[in-house]
Amino acid sequence: AQSVTQPDIHITVSEGASLELRCNYSYGATPYLFWYVQSPGQGLQLLLKYFSGDTLVQGIKGFEAEFKRSQSSFNLRKPSVHWSDAAEYFCAVGARRTSGTYKYIFGTGTRLKVLA
Amino acid sequence: GAGVSQSPSNKVTEKGKDVELRCDPISGHTALYWYRQRLGQGLEFLIYFQGNSAPDKSGLPSDRFSAERTGESVSTLTIQRTQQEDSAVYLCASSPDGIGNQPQHFGDGTRLSIL
Repeated sequence: AQSVTQPDIHITVSEGASLELRCNYSYGATPYLFWYVQSPGQGLQLLLKYFSGDTLVQGIKGFEAEFKRSQSSFNLRKPSVHWSDAAEYFCAVGARRTSGTYKYIFGTGTRLKVLA
Repeated sequence: GAGVSQSPSNKVTEKGKDVELRCDPISGHTALYWYRQRLGQGLEFLIYFQGNSAPDKSGLPSDRFSAERTGESVSTLTIQRTQQEDSAVYLCASSPDGIGNQPQHFGDGTRLSIL
C-alpha cells in the first residue's frame, strides 16, 4: 500500500540553525514527491517537487530536498532557518490510479518551531 | 490570477444542521480535490473530480457527505446532519489535469465548528 511517513511530529530549532525534516514513502514505482508548507489559518503552499532527474531539488524560500531511492526518502533541508519558517510541513507522494490519473497521499505533517 | 477560493472561511453551526461548503478552483484546472484536516492532523482525502469523469468518492467518511461539481468550475461539499466529529478545516485544491507530477494549489480552507 502506498504511504508517506513523517516520523517527527514536532521539531524545534534555533534561528540560524540548520534544519532537516524527514519523509519516507512507500510506493512501487518512481514516485512524484512534494513538500508543502502550511502557515496558521492558511492552505498549503508548494515548496518543491521531484519528478525525475537530479535527485537534489531546489525550492522556494531557500529549501531543498534530496530524493534517495535506496532509502525511500525525500528529506527537506534548509541551511539556516528564519523565524518566519515556523509552520507545519507536509510531504506528499503522487500515486497513480488504475484509471491513469493520480491521487495524492500526504504525511501527517511536522510542526516546526523556531526559537529566537 | 486568482487562486483557489473557498467560502465561507469560517462556519459555526449546531449539531444536526446541514452545511454547504464552496470551492472555486483556478480557472482551467480540470482536477479538484477536497480534503479534511482535523486539529493537529494531516490531510484526509475526501473526494476527487477530474473533468467529466465519474468522481472518486472513496474518501467520503459516510453517506452524510456528498459533493458536486458543475463542469470544470465550482464545487460544493455538503455535510448533512452534522456531528461534532465533523469539526475540522475543509481544504479544497485544484491542479491543471490531475497528472501526478502537477502540484496542487490549495485554498485557505473552511474552518467548520459543530456546537
